[in-house]
Amino acid sequence: AQSVTQPDIHITVSEGASLELRCNYSYGATPYLFWYVQSPGQGLQLLLKYFSGDTLVQGIKGFEAEFKRSQSSFNLRKPSVHWSDAAEYFCAFSGAGSYQLTFGKGTKLSVIP
Amino acid sequence: NAGVTQTPKFQVLKTGQSMTLQCAQDMNHNSMYWYRQDPGMGLRLIYYSASEGTTDKGEVPNGYNVSRLNKREFSLRLESAAPSQTSVYFCASNGQGEETQYFGPGTRLLVL
Repeated sequence: AQSVTQPDIHITVSEGASLELRCNYSYGATPYLFWYVQSPGQGLQLLLKYFSGDTLVQGIKGFEAEFKRSQSSFNLRKPSVHWSDAAEYFCAFSGAGSYQLTFGKGTKLSVIP
Repeated sequence: NAGVTQTPKFQVLKTGQSMTLQCAQDMNHNSMYWYRQDPGMGLRLIYYSASEGTTDKGEVPNGYNVSRLNKREFSLRLESAAPSQTSVYFCASNGQGEETQYFGPGTRLLVL
C-alpha cells in the first residue's frame, strides 16, 4: 500500500540548534515528494519539493531535504532553528500523473527560546 | 491575486443540519481538491475534481457531496452533518501537469 510515515509526532529543539524531521514513504516507483508547513490556525505552505534530479533540494526559510532512494526517505533539515519555525510539518507524496496527494500524520515542532 | 479562498472561516452546526463550504481559486487551475484534517491523522482527501465538469471520490467521501460549479469554484456539501464531521477542511488546487497543490486557509467546522 502507498503510504508516508513521519515517525516523530512531536519534536522540541532549542533555538539555534539543528533540526531533522524524518519522512519515509512506501511506493512502487519514484514518487513526487513534498514538505509543507502549517503554522497554528493557518493553511499549508509549501516548503520544498522533489521530482527528479539532484537529490538535495533547497526550499524556503532555509530548509533543505534529501531524497534517499535506498532508504525510501525524504528527511527535512535546517542547520539553525528560529523560534518562528515552531509549526506542524507535513511530508506528502504523489505518483507521476496521479491526482492524489498522500500526507503523513505530521510532526509538531516546538522551539525553546 | 488571492490564490485559494475559502468561506466561511468557522462554522458551528447542529447534528442533522446541512451546509456548503465554498472554495474559489483565481490561478486558472484545472484541478481542485477537498481535504479534511483531524488531529493525528494528517490530511485526508475527500473529493477531487481533475477538471471542470468532473469529480471523483478520494479516501473519505462518505457523508459529503461536491460540485464543480465552474473552473474557479469547487464546493463541498454536508447534507446531514454528524459530530464525526467536526474537522478543519482545506481546499487546494493545481494547474495542468503541475504536481504542487496550493492550499486555502481552511474552514473550521464544529458539529454539535
